Amino acid sequence: DAMVIQNPRYQVTQFGKPVTLSCSQTLNHNVMYWYQQKSSQAPKLLFHYYDKDFNNEADTPDNFQSRRPNTSFCFLDIRSPGLGDAAMYLCATSRDLKGTGQPQHFGDGTRLSIL
Amino acid sequence: KQEVTQIPAALSVPEGENLVLNCSFTDSAIYNLQWFRQDPGKGLTSLLLIQSSQREQTSGRLNASLDKSSGRSTLYIAASQPGDSATYLCAVSEGTSGSRLTFGEGTQLTVNP
Repeated sequence: DAMVIQNPRYQVTQFGKPVTLSCSQTLNHNVMYWYQQKSSQAPKLLFHYYDKDFNNEADTPDNFQSRRPNTSFCFLDIRSPGLGDAAMYLCATSRDLKGTGQPQHFGDGTRLSIL
Repeated sequence: KQEVTQIPAALSVPEGENLVLNCSFTDSAIYNLQWFRQDPGKGLTSLLLIQSSQREQTSGRLNASLDKSSGRSTLYIAASQPGDSATYLCAVSEGTSGSRLTFGEGTQLTVNP
């Protein structure tokens, strides 16, 4: 039973052409996260939503934005993708923000390639 | 700034061996520590979560320990199998609300039949 679903699994876009990645969840969790993982590197948190409250990491490029229209869906928009944005993008959820005892559940990711 | 280090970066063992993966972190002010498994081209599967007040957690052949004061965690895998081959990542939960997971770069494990 897929709980965090990311579409598409693979996305190819052209340099500078806006692209949107999507994530949905069936867990009814309050928090949704977006991570970027480059090849053989650790996942890096870009931002998270607690309900409708948006929280951006300080070093997340302005090129990246996110939308959460409802509890179940969250989108990652890359306004003008550069070659350095090629990566695996991982969506995750957790029931609440309080770190203690709250595991994060991940989707299978979207691998983004830039031509 | 929190830094998470995993040693070794890669490990190859014959089937049936018991093995230990290591994780260290620089700031002990964490909410919890999670171990994940990542298969090639896939997302992360949560294996174990240890709260900051706990010392260890067990699930099947896996046992994870946490020594928060020294900034260390270990993942012990008993009787390894070829299906255990994957990258294992540890991550600490921190930030003002514990929302941020800071990951290590992982240990790539290969279990040979």
